[in-house]
Amino acid sequence: DGGITQSPKYLFRKEGQNVTLSCEQNLNHDAMYWYRQDPGQGLRLIYYSQIVNDFQKGDIAEGYSVSREKKESFPLTVTSAQKNPTAFYLCASSGTIGFGYTFGSGTRLTVV
Amino acid sequence: AQTVTQSQPEMSVQEAETVTLSCTYDTSESDYYLFWYKQPPSRQMILVIRQEAYKQQNATENRFSVNFQKAAKSFSLKISDSQLGDAAMYFCAYRSAPHSGAGSYQLTFGKGTKLSVIP
Repeated sequence: DGGITQSPKYLFRKEGQNVTLSCEQNLNHDAMYWYRQDPGQGLRLIYYSQIVNDFQKGDIAEGYSVSREKKESFPLTVTSAQKNPTAFYLCASSGTIGFGYTFGSGTRLTVV
Repeated sequence: AQTVTQSQPEMSVQEAETVTLSCTYDTSESDYYLFWYKQPPSRQMILVIRQEAYKQQNATENRFSVNFQKAAKSFSLKISDSQLGDAAMYFCAYRSAPHSGAGSYQLTFGKGTKLSVIP
């Protein structure tokens, strides 16, 4: 079945370390997105990519980086510059614009 | 920039009853899409229903229906015959249409409404 796979499901990071969250899709979607979810904040856009080798900053890009070398993959790196990285991270992809997103199951990142 | 507002952080409904979740949005565009997503405790985001702004007819999906009031920029979700499995966070979302000239088409979400279903 087609879908989006995020890994790992839970991730622990020590302060000062970079960590990379994986997102892979086999839906042949052009666009991919990363959102951060905090209690009471809804979903906030970190980065998005509408085509391979191109990506744009969202509303809260500081302290994060991404790459889009393959259509299927859109990894997110949480750098040590991100001051409050503990959150739930959701990856999504979309094909035809009118049909919303398909979401992955998320990664819970905790800084220890 | 578009904004989406969900004014009810939490709501509850008795099992088998009907509940309506509110959503308003702000946009200068004439064509766009609106969505309701459900996020159960598993945290998997599930698309519940979608509405195209150029369609006057309200969308329905089984027990879920919307009341789309374009002039008022309102997009409420009605859940009929509520079931225990309906307990979740519900997010309203907005997306520009391709011919709107927006240039980017990411979803903008409200902050969500937590729905509890009482047995």
